[in-house]
Amino acid sequence: KNEVEQSPQNLTAQEGEFITINCSYSVGISALHWLQQHPGGGIVSLFMLSSGKKKHGRLIATINIQEKHSSLHITASHPRDSAVYICAVRRANTGNQFYFGTGTSLTVIP
Amino acid sequence: DTEVTQTPKHLVMGMTNKKSLKCEQHMGHRAMYWYKQKAKKPPELMFVYSYEKLSINESVPSRFSPECPNSSLLNLHLHALQPEDSALYLCASSLVLYETQYFGPGTRLLVL
Repeated sequence: KNEVEQSPQNLTAQEGEFITINCSYSVGISALHWLQQHPGGGIVSLFMLSSGKKKHGRLIATINIQEKHSSLHITASHPRDSAVYICAVRRANTGNQFYFGTGTSLTVIP
Repeated sequence: DTEVTQTPKHLVMGMTNKKSLKCEQHMGHRAMYWYKQKAKKPPELMFVYSYEKLSINESVPSRFSPECPNSSLLNLHLHALQPEDSALYLCASSLVLYETQYFGPGTRLLVL
């Protein structure tokens, strides 16, 4: 079983829709990252969270440490948001290693 | 300068070749990482350098040999690779170990 699970694995949305991607983890963490990977490989770090909520433009990330769960929301989605979104956690107390989720592939249709 | 650069962008090599991948950042970051990513899979951590010292080697075969000659540069030397080593190799850096990582665009490697 993976330490980090994401859902859904694939998501297709119409332009303008509100999108939610979920990440659940089973280990104690010191931080959680949301990453965006576009076709062709480039990865962008969107958020690093250890508690609460962060907002950047149309993107919102939340984390509930007690429930070991994080969500990434995209408001007013746009075709340029089409990418793979990856959740990664920094595990506490074991050398601070990273564990990655399997990614959510998002396609936003015009 | 707020980016991580990787060269080459693409590389094709035979199983007997020796080649090197290069990663460079000028953000003053002291931690650098090599990841391997197969198609439709998340990145897998290979090596971590912190202050130019190898901090983590995730049981990577010896045909991959990392080198960190200075705080801005990270190399990955390749020798006697197998076709299954074909993948996207991503480099990342962070200010210190395991803080927010900034990724390079990757080198797409094909081993014939």
